[in-house]
Amino acid sequence: EAGVAQSPRYKIIEKRQSVAFWCNPISGHATLYWYQQILGQGPKLLIQFQNNGVVDDSQLPKDRFSAERLKGVDSTLKIQPAKLEDSAVYLCASSPRDTAYGYTFGSGTRLTVV
Amino acid sequence: GIQVEQSPPDLILQEGANSTLRCNFSDSVNNLQWFHQNPWGQLINLFYIPSGTKQNGRLSATTVATERYSLLYISSSQTTDSGVYFCAVEPDSGTYKYIFGTGTRLKVLA
Repeated sequence: EAGVAQSPRYKIIEKRQSVAFWCNPISGHATLYWYQQILGQGPKLLIQFQNNGVVDDSQLPKDRFSAERLKGVDSTLKIQPAKLEDSAVYLCASSPRDTAYGYTFGSGTRLTVV
Repeated sequence: GIQVEQSPPDLILQEGANSTLRCNFSDSVNNLQWFHQNPWGQLINLFYIPSGTKQNGRLSATTVATERYSLLYISSSQTTDSGVYFCAVEPDSGTYKYIFGTGTRLKVLA
């Protein structure tokens, strides 16, 4: 079974630029999550999708962050414009529908904003 | 919201030693997971353990839900056990979203 795929692996941008991250979940997993992990901290949930609908985006800074999951499969997370404090690893995870089991993380995208 | 605290924050062990990592949570939870984040950043699930005790090889975990804590035991530690250990809790039934703790950074020396 293929795991959760994320790209790019690394990204360096200047502040005020925009950036996008891509995630392809495990086949058949209905629920998809984006987490932000700042160095030295635990992952923080940004947004949760069930199929292509948003379940929870209460922690997403909506003035600069946006996310979509077209057709209930792949997802993209965008930051525009980026700030220095957005430097972090962005992790995507997926799980089967209606269960908290089978939670699987991707390898993450490490973003550095300079 | 729920608070998830882990201790100790940092731990250095000699290979072969045993250790206990603790996770305290401030409210009742529906589920609890332990994860290992390896030095390359990959998060791997170790246990789903909302209550009771489970064992998998050299690792075991116990959750006492009524007292709001969970313990992860590592026996005969190996250098490959190095990394950060997180507990994560699902505060509300049916949300399937997890809140992560502060982590314990473990280094095992050869």
